[in-house]
Amino acid sequence: NAGVTQTPKFQVLKTGQSMTLQCAQDMNHNSMYWYRQDPGMGLRLIYYSASEGTTDKGEVPNGYNVSRLNKREFSLRLESAAPSQTSVYFCASIIQGPDTQYFGPGTRLTVL
Amino acid sequence: KQEVTQIPAALSVPEGENLVLNCSFTDSAIYNLQWFRQDPGKGLTSLLLIQSSQREQTSGRLNASLDKSSGRSTLYIAASQPGDSATYLCAVKETSGSRLTFGEGTQLTVNP
Repeated sequence: NAGVTQTPKFQVLKTGQSMTLQCAQDMNHNSMYWYRQDPGMGLRLIYYSASEGTTDKGEVPNGYNVSRLNKREFSLRLESAAPSQTSVYFCASIIQGPDTQYFGPGTRLTVL
Repeated sequence: KQEVTQIPAALSVPEGENLVLNCSFTDSAIYNLQWFRQDPGKGLTSLLLIQSSQREQTSGRLNASLDKSSGRSTLYIAASQPGDSATYLCAVKETSGSRLTFGEGTQLTVNP
């Protein structure tokens, strides 16, 4: 049981490049989330997926797209990276009922 | 809009001391409140979750309390150890299935 896994762990991009951050969970959770964490800003929700086949915008969705590929996987895509997207990105999944969130180890992204 | 504040932003204590971390939120109509621990360069680990109908939760040396009417929660750490050094974040959920709103965290250092 690996919990929530994220790839890659580190990434450096040039402005305008695109990339996809991958997230997978093996806990059979319905809901999955993408957050970014920035100094002085805390964690902010980018997108979430309440269940397979559905996605919704969070607090800061501009510049991002997501895909809920199946129940296990939820990917985050940057189509044209900007320096303002330099951040640490966390994926999380949630078990309904107690609503406890489980987080992945994060992806540290730098956009030059 | 829900806002979550954590005071102090940083705390340094000698080993063995009992300590309290504070979390306040502006809208008392919450579903639950969760305390997380984050080690440097790592993801978030859930410590305690308090449902809106509960007053406190305990796990080992940790005790979290919730006072919805005043919009406050405290995390009490007994007999602190150097291994407790980390950033502690609280987050509130307003309804089942809604997103978490995070505070910016308290960075705790326990000195040997």
